[in-house]
Order: sequence, then C-alpha cells, then structure tokens
Amino acid sequence: DIQMTQSPSSVSASVGDRVTITCRASQDISSWVAWYQQKPGKAPKLLIYTASSLQNGVPSRFSGSGSGTDFTLTISSLQPEDFATYYCQQANSFPRTFGQGTKLEIK
Amino acid sequence: QVHLVQSGAEVKKPGASVEVSCKASGYTFTSNSIHWVRQAPGQGLEWMGTINPSGGSSSYPQKFQGRVTMTRDTSTSTVYMEVSSLRSADTAVYYCARNRADDSFDLWGQGTMVTVSS
Repeated sequence: DIQMTQSPSSVSASVGDRVTITCRASQDISSWVAWYQQKPGKAPKLLIYTASSLQNGVPSRFSGSGSGTDFTLTISSLQPEDFATYYCQQANSFPRTFGQGTKLEIK
Repeated sequence: QVHLVQSGAEVKKPGASVEVSCKASGYTFTSNSIHWVRQAPGQGLEWMGTINPSGGSSSYPQKFQGRVTMTRDTSTSTVYMEVSSLRSADTAVYYCARNRADDSFDLWGQGTMVTVSS
C-alpha cells in the first residue's frame, strides 16, 4: 500500500497569511494526488486534482504543486472560511490512501 | 442538480450487520464508479472500497475483504454497502463519493452515522 505522510498535523495562522501543507508518498505516484477540505460535520470537498488542477468553483488562492513523491497545497492569503482540516489522497493505485490530515486553526 | 443522498443514521449491536445506501441523481449513474470512505469520531479518512455501477464489479482493501459488500441497483441509481460482524471500532460516519475520470472524488454524499454499541 502507498503511504501518504502529511505535515504538519496542525498549524495556527492568521487571516491573510500564506500557508503550505506538504504530503509525501511512499513511492512515485506521478501527479495522481487530490486535496480535500473538510469542515466539522461536513463531507470533504475537492479542492485540487492531478496535483495542480483547481476544481471548478474553488478560489484561486488555493494551489497545488508537485510530482513523484512530494506534493504541496498552498493557500496564498488565508480567509476566515479556510479554517478547516485538509487531506491529501493518492489516486495512483488501490487501495486509495489518505494523509492523516492537517488541521488549520486560527491564531 | 447533481447529488448523492445517503440513508439515515443507524444504531447496531456488536456482531450485527448494517446496510447504507447512496442514491445518485442528476448524472448518468453508470458513468462513474462510487467509492466509500469512513471517518471514525475525531479521526481521518479511511477508504473502504469501490464499485463500478455499470458492471457491478467491486474492489476492497484487504482490511475489509470478507466483511464489506458493495452492490448496486441500476433501476434506482442506488449503491449499497453492507458491513457485517460490526464492532465498536466500526462506529463512524460513512460517506459515498463519485469517482471522476481523473480519479478524484468530486461529489460526496452527506454522510451516514453508524453507531455500534451494546
């Protein structure tokens, strides 16, 4: 199974800050990574697919990059509605696996 | 409107089985695989498997093989997931999600809480 190691597990930041979340795969997965945002009591929401493609309707302050084993999700200027938990997921092979999540909290 | 609508919350005793449904609307049901993902209280996301509504084929991770069964009814555009031999560790919110061609999950159900308690 491909392990997805996400860091940090939590981060405190302020509105307007730039935040980067990292995900490392245990083997080469090309660009087969998606990023999701989850708010308490809600289903996850797709933000980024194939590592760097922005899902329709997602604000352009969200961006993704990387290939191979190292991937990043960047939020360029945090807004109040961005405080949530973020997950990476590999789509290269079965079983699909998720990172353990990064909780983004207000400083 | 494109939706996945799941069945309601369940409370089960250890050793019992539960079936959760996921009804698709607003798109061609047989065009996209459906995945199931669960989330235990305060924990992360765990993939439970997938079913192709077109032919009915399914795939499960080793952890759930023999205990999880996914089926579909094309006449009602509904996917079902049965989990048997329930234990307290199966207490979680269960989500269905639509797989897109790029293998991302672009549409999610609202979640179904399953509580396993004696």
